[in-house]
Amino acid sequence: TQLLEQSPQFLSIQEGENLTVYCNSSSVFSSLQWYRQEPGEGPVLLVTVVTGGEVKKLKRLTFQFGDARKDSSLHITAAQPGDTGLYLCAGVLWTDKLIFGTGTRLQVFP
Amino acid sequence: NAGVTQTPKFQVLKTGQSMTLQCAQDMNHNSMYWYRQDPGMGLRLIYYSASEGTTDKGEVPNGYNVSRLNKREFSLRLESAAPSQTSVYFCASRGYNEQFFGPGTRLTVL
Repeated sequence: TQLLEQSPQFLSIQEGENLTVYCNSSSVFSSLQWYRQEPGEGPVLLVTVVTGGEVKKLKRLTFQFGDARKDSSLHITAAQPGDTGLYLCAGVLWTDKLIFGTGTRLQVFP
Repeated sequence: NAGVTQTPKFQVLKTGQSMTLQCAQDMNHNSMYWYRQDPGMGLRLIYYSASEGTTDKGEVPNGYNVSRLNKREFSLRLESAAPSQTSVYFCASRGYNEQFFGPGTRLTVL
């Protein structure tokens, strides 16, 4: 069974703080995706990283794909209450199936 | 354009009862998926369908069956529900490099 471990599992911070979420695997993926999920809804895609070492930025969110394409990180600068949610990484297999990480639940307090 | 729709939104079953979860997408996608989401375990693939008329097992298929009725619809059936199948179930369809998720069905088996 392929596993994607995310850390931390829970994160509770004050508005304005920075944070990093890690996603690690022993498997190599063709690409890696990050999703965000709100309560009562399905996950929504934030970004796809394809090339080893790739860095993508979405406003205050920075995503990095490891050189060996086995791991990834999500860094949020100056977190806001609107960033609250469940963040899921997902490794894309060569068959186009996804392997989801265990999830990081982020709570940002005003 | 509703995207991916799922019915019902909530369901309570007794052990041994059967039920079918319905999913439909209006984006003309070929690939469709069924996942279950449990605390601390991310989303795990139950079954998927790469195209109309084809289905394949995912990571956790035991206790489930699926039907790809046509290109739009992909249903998940529990023949004899067990408490271990208490979970939130998500249907998804795949567009170009992205999966689109429905709002989920919260199932409790007593």
